Amino acid sequence: GDSVTQMEGPVTLSEEAFLTINCTYTATGYPSLFWYVQYPGEGLQLLLKATKADDKGSNKGFEATYRKETTSFHLEKGSVQVSDSAVYFCALIPPSGGYQKVTFGIGTKLQVIP
Amino acid sequence: GAVVSQHPSRVICKSGTSVKIECRSLDFQATTMFWYRQFPKKSLMLMATSNEGSKATYEQGVEKDKFLINHASLTLSTLTVTSAHPEDSSFYICSAADYNEQFFGPGTRLTVL
Repeated sequence: GDSVTQMEGPVTLSEEAFLTINCTYTATGYPSLFWYVQYPGEGLQLLLKATKADDKGSNKGFEATYRKETTSFHLEKGSVQVSDSAVYFCALIPPSGGYQKVTFGIGTKLQVIP
Repeated sequence: GAVVSQHPSRVICKSGTSVKIECRSLDFQATTMFWYRQFPKKSLMLMATSNEGSKATYEQGVEKDKFLINHASLTLSTLTVTSAHPEDSSFYICSAADYNEQFFGPGTRLTVL
């Protein structure tokens, strides 16, 4: 079946540091890939997404590129802020679309210190 | 993106009582909604798929008689935790599906004393 692998963390960075959270997946065909962010005590917010190979999703300074050859969708940000502290989930939906089960990674907790 | 709401956002109840959680799709009609459960410091686990006008499809290991799901309209799905026990305490999140993705609600924190 489908699976998503990401580091559990926590990842602790100083403000303005460079962020990378690795995400790799196993799925048939070309799934859609997502990064969600969850702030403490809140639900999931879509951060960015990519629906086909070589697509780059971006939002709020975060970027991730859909790499079919390495089955990866790593999240990056050039300069993190304290307000970026949250849990980040990598996820995929099968090629058949949004009516199918979302497969989530375990979530990576990011702590940014001033 | 589309907006999905949940009510209540937090609920505390006594053991043995039932609790209903509502999930509403505010700006589009959702024939399919999903219910997820999140344990502390863990990822989201799919509990069931809710289809408007038909019975929900439950994931393996989820008790359908304990977690009752009703999807009576295209904008509302409800999850009722029957005879709740402390081990049912968790964060419950719903989502509404369209063709390309799912839109998640803000979650409901259930605490059973």
